[in-house]
Amino acid sequence: GAGVSQSPRYKVAKRGQDVALRCDPISGHVSLFWYQQALGQGPEFLTYFQNEAQLDKSGLPSDRFFAERPEGSVSTLKIQRTQQEDSAVYLCASSSGLAAYEQYFGPGTRLTVT
Amino acid sequence: LAKTTQPISMDSYEGQEVNITCSHNNIATNDYITWYQQFPSQGPRFIIQGYKTKVTNEVASLFIPADRKSSTLSLPRVSLSDTAVYYCLVGDPGLAGANNLFFGTGTRLTVIP
Repeated sequence: GAGVSQSPRYKVAKRGQDVALRCDPISGHVSLFWYQQALGQGPEFLTYFQNEAQLDKSGLPSDRFFAERPEGSVSTLKIQRTQQEDSAVYLCASSSGLAAYEQYFGPGTRLTVT
Repeated sequence: LAKTTQPISMDSYEGQEVNITCSHNNIATNDYITWYQQFPSQGPRFIIQGYKTKVTNEVASLFIPADRKSSTLSLPRVSLSDTAVYYCLVGDPGLAGANNLFFGTGTRLTVIP
């Protein structure tokens, strides 16, 4: 496919479980971003990768959140010991350049923690 | 302190031109202005980006006055399918981080038949 894909599209987790969310960026895109979007709010920046290097993780809300992009393509956002406040849509975006000029977003993963 | 201020919501009739204004009084020299559109259950979609004066593409126009303290997204002849949330971002495209990629709550545009 030509766009950014994310899986799963929906995830229900019991409080305390670990989850892993996957992002497949557009092939060849250097930059990759993760966002969290709560209901009725705009996306909030979580973290940024340039190739395999995580250059900015200032938006990760706690040390339970961890992201990786080991080979500079696919990325995984992991949330350990999920809490109800983690319920949100998690969006991934990629960009062709080394900057955030124009980002291409995936459809998101809706996480519900019960 | 929020970098941008835009109306929470707007209504427009089909076929009209819609102008959404974004205020960014503290815009920095290296900052660009970028607009995204988001439909329900989808990720945002890039609409347009500019630095100064006027930028036009097949979808919209972006007007930026000389002082760059505000900008206006103009959507010509809107249709029902333009009903969405529109976000104005101001930041240095060379940097990531929460300050440069701040979406805010956006403007919810509703197009009425």
